[in-house]
Amino acid sequence: DSGVTQTPKHLITATGQRVTLRCSPRSGDLSVYWYQQSLDQGLQFLIHYYNGEERAKGNILERFSAQQFPDLHSELNLSSLELGDSALYFCASSPGTSGSQETQYFGPGTRLLVL
Amino acid sequence: AQSVTQLGSHVSVSEGALVLLRCNYSSSVPPYLFWYVQYPNQGLQLLLKYTSAATLVKGINGFEAEFKKSETSFHLTKPSAHMSDAAEYFCAVRLNFGNEKLTFGTGTRLTIIP
Repeated sequence: DSGVTQTPKHLITATGQRVTLRCSPRSGDLSVYWYQQSLDQGLQFLIHYYNGEERAKGNILERFSAQQFPDLHSELNLSSLELGDSALYFCASSPGTSGSQETQYFGPGTRLLVL
Repeated sequence: AQSVTQLGSHVSVSEGALVLLRCNYSSSVPPYLFWYVQYPNQGLQLLLKYTSAATLVKGINGFEAEFKKSETSFHLTKPSAHMSDAAEYFCAVRLNFGNEKLTFGTGTRLTIIP
């Protein structure tokens, strides 16, 4: 158990809908990262938040957005969903105090299926 | 920009045999390198990481990896495979400054033959 929790575990929805994925980082971690894992794209970095502020963006679609709240949990919002958005979405956290050598601890993921 | 190449999307070894999973990186600056393992229906778990302290890195479950700058490689090895090692393994690179994202390879699925 990494200490990172993600809800829900599974999500089935229809095209055009909007969903929210939630992540609670490990106690004390200030950095939260979101990744998407799909069969055709592999593991791709989406976005990084540090202590409530956006730090970096990766290959994140404009239909997707995220935020980190004062209690440090994070939400990833996916809207106007398409079939191709079906994937496993991971959240990872790290302390955020030691730079790039820090280990990122991954949650169990949310499996999204868009029908 | 940094990138990682994992040679061999599928590797099969017999139980008790040597495990060798290959990873080559490309980075314009000294990188940090990581190996993660993913068991079915689970998240990623860190096996080991290289952060420039020592070139031979020992990780969990008997795995180790050696950073070879001249070969731009960070191959993962284990002397004797166990059935419980069957999983998908990902090599990842991160720059030592700036954007702290992990850039992952495409993964290698390891199968252990009894």
